[in-house]
Amino acid sequence: ELKVEQNPLFLSMQEGKNYTIYCNYSTTSDRLYWYRQDPGKSLESLFVLLSNGAVKQEGRLMASLDTKARLSTLHITAAVHDLSATYFCAVEITGTASKLTFGTGTRLQVTL
Amino acid sequence: DGGITQSPKYLFRKEGQNVTLSCEQNLNHDAMYWYRQDPGQGLRLIYYSQIVNDFQKGDIAEGYSVSREKKESFPLTVTSAQKNPTAFYLCASSVHGTRDGYTFGSGTRLTVV
Repeated sequence: ELKVEQNPLFLSMQEGKNYTIYCNYSTTSDRLYWYRQDPGKSLESLFVLLSNGAVKQEGRLMASLDTKARLSTLHITAAVHDLSATYFCAVEITGTASKLTFGTGTRLQVTL
Repeated sequence: DGGITQSPKYLFRKEGQNVTLSCEQNLNHDAMYWYRQDPGQGLRLIYYSQIVNDFQKGDIAEGYSVSREKKESFPLTVTSAQKNPTAFYLCASSVHGTRDGYTFGSGTRLTVV
């Protein structure tokens, strides 16, 4: 059974600081996704990482994937209040049927 | 514009009642999914369907049923057998390999009264 673990579960950080969210998974995966969720809202797609060593960046967020270590990271650079949200990683296993298995989420609170 | 529409946004269920959540997509995606989210937790897969007239159980299918009679529609019924149905339900559809590989609906919040 695929298990996806994120840490930390909760992160409070000051504006301007850097931090990294970690996503570990237990079996070989084809793709890894990062999503953002605001309270009471749906999921917003941030990144999809397709291969080992993949790195993607948008604004203050950068995601990377190490398939050998079964680890993905979401790095936040110089955080701003607007980044406050819950962030999920999700691992996709493809085959006869593709589906996503989600991590527990990291609730990020950026304080002024 | 293409997307996924979930309705209703809020739904209240009485004890012992079955309720159906609607999910419609006009993205021409083959695969559709239902996820459940409890407060402070991640999403768990209830059911998924790769093609019309076929669907598979996810990790927490007990107390739920689905149908896939049309490519565009994947309704979820929460039956009276689901003892703790209060949650946020998200429907998704997919195409693979792109940033927008999975598209999520806006969700239905179900509360037992």
